Amino acid sequence: GAVVSQHPSWVICKSGTSVKIECRSLDFQATTMFWYRQFPKQSLMLMATSNEGSKATYEQGVEKDKFLINHASLTLSTLTVTSAHPEDSSFYICSASDSGTVGEKLFFGSGTQLSVL
Amino acid sequence: GENVEQHPSTLSVQEGDSAVIKCTYSDSASNYFPWYKQELGKGPQLIIDIRSNVGEKKDQRIAVTLNKTAKHFSLHITETQPEDSAVYFCAANNYGQNFVFGPGTRLSVLP
Repeated sequence: GAVVSQHPSWVICKSGTSVKIECRSLDFQATTMFWYRQFPKQSLMLMATSNEGSKATYEQGVEKDKFLINHASLTLSTLTVTSAHPEDSSFYICSASDSGTVGEKLFFGSGTQLSVL
Repeated sequence: GENVEQHPSTLSVQEGDSAVIKCTYSDSASNYFPWYKQELGKGPQLIIDIRSNVGEKKDQRIAVTLNKTAKHFSLHITETQPEDSAVYFCAANNYGQNFVFGPGTRLSVLP
């Protein structure tokens, strides 16, 4: 299957700092990328949908000024958690859709565990 | 909008036995149904998927069946092994729409 690379895999930061997470599709072009947040033992919670060259679409309740998303190219999307606080600590996962000839398939990155002290 | 339910939430089986996880969806327009396996601390991995024009698909020890009339689809794992222990998520999608995920099933394969 298609490969989605996500970095870093874990990050620890001080409260008030910003953290950037990168998501790359390695062997396909992803016109759409998605960002999820996952709490322990829970399902995937969609935060935003990122389309290359346009503004991201945020789900209800997700602060767009706190979670900045940039999808500058067909293979790269970034999520920046601005002025992080302990309540932002979570597992963040990106995914990208591979619009092959038979329709979309969704592939996930390996996730980023964010811990805000 | 689409709603996906998944049962059971936890499942324990003896090594070598079969495991079955079932999902139901609400939107009859959904036409693509993937299954993902998520190991601790990792992102979900696509393990098998099925489209609405197919009733069953098999890949070695795993298979997925789809009943469009009843709007449910199931994951079947045969000859389970300890490395099958993980959380499994089903999802439903209509091309161009967002994927909707089930709440997940924690599978434990006991040696």
